[in-house]
Parts: sequence; structure tokens; C-alpha cells
Amino acid sequence: EAGVTQFPSHSVIEKGQTVTLRCDPISGHDNLYWYRRVMGKEIKFLLHFVKESKQDESGMPNNRFLAERTGGTYSTLKVQPAELEDSGVYFCASSPGLAIEQYFGPGTRLTVT
Amino acid sequence: AQSVTQLDSHVSVSEGTPVLLRCNYSSSYSPSLFWYVQHPNKGLQLLLKYTSAATLVKGINGFEAEFKKSETSFHLTKPSAHMSDAAEYFCVVSDNSNYQLIWGAGTKLIIKP
Repeated sequence: EAGVTQFPSHSVIEKGQTVTLRCDPISGHDNLYWYRRVMGKEIKFLLHFVKESKQDESGMPNNRFLAERTGGTYSTLKVQPAELEDSGVYFCASSPGLAIEQYFGPGTRLTVT
Repeated sequence: AQSVTQLDSHVSVSEGTPVLLRCNYSSSYSPSLFWYVQHPNKGLQLLLKYTSAATLVKGINGFEAEFKKSETSFHLTKPSAHMSDAAEYFCVVSDNSNYQLIWGAGTKLIIKP
């Protein structure tokens, strides 16, 4: 069974540009989560989808971040415009139903210069 | 509010000696607790989890952790370190109301030959 995949693995962009990160959850997992680790800080929750609906987006830092989950399958996280402080590793996770065990992807390392 | 404190940012042990990674948590109710590991250039992998069953939890690769409510601790141990254990380890508590994972700052485990 394929695990959670994320694309790209690395992205380097300039301040002010737009970047879109993609996450493909494990097939059949209704719950999808985004987390972020900024350099030197803890991993922080960003948001949680149940199928295509945003269940909890309390961790989204500001309105420059937009997450979508088309058709309840893959998800995208767009940062527009990117700022220097957005640099970090963005992790995606998925879980089946209401299970609390979350399976993580390898992460996308975003560098904003 | 829930929180997690990992008491050591780095732990260095010799191969073949015991490993102890310390974690204390704060929770207003009975928590679910996890340890995740991230090897260099790899994704986050679940080592073990505690969900109010047995207080001594066994995980993968010979790791185990003991939930001690009176001490609000969930320390990770392994009797004998192996070079392949070199990685960053995260103690995590789950908010069971919204399934957010709350992360410790991480402990980097260094194994000396």
C-alpha cells in the first residue's frame, strides 16, 4: 500500500512569489492534516480536512495560506505571496475515519529567499 | 491547554548502551501520547503510542515508553543503542477533541561508535 506522498520534496522561491504544495494521502483516508516546522521551532498544526471539508483551520498563520482538497482526494497548500518566515518543512498526514494515528509524508522543504 | 516538553535537545550515547529520551506533558484530561522518529532525509514515522491501555508501551525497533500519570511523563527507552537509531525523536500529545497533534521540540539522538 502506498504511503502519504508529497510534492515537491524541495522548493526554493523568492519572496513575493507563489508556491503550491501537494499532498496525496493514503487511499481511503478521509482525514488529511497539514503541519509545518519552521527552522528551530516545534512542528505546528495548520489544518485538518475531513473529506473535502475543512474541519479545523485554527493553525493557519494568515490569509496568505490557502488549502484545498478537491473531491476529498489530494490536497494542495498554496502560499501567496510567500514571505521569508514561511520557510520550513511542510508535512502532510492522513488517517482513516476518526482514528488518532496519523501517517506522515516525507515533507516538503520550502525555502523563501 | 496541552503541551509537551522534551527535556533534552540532544542526547549522545555509545553504541550498545541504554537510551533514555525524556518527555513531560501537560493535559487537562487523559491524553493520547506518541513518539515519532525522523531519520535524516526521511519522513516522520510512528514509533509507539499510548491510548489509555497498558502503561508500558512497546514500539518498533526495540523502543518502549512508560506512561506515568503521577509524574506526567512519557519517557522513551531502549536497552541497547544501535547506530541506526541516530535520528530526531518527537514526543507528541493528541488533543482528543479535535485530533490536532501537539509536538515537543524534538531530541536529536547521537550514537557514538
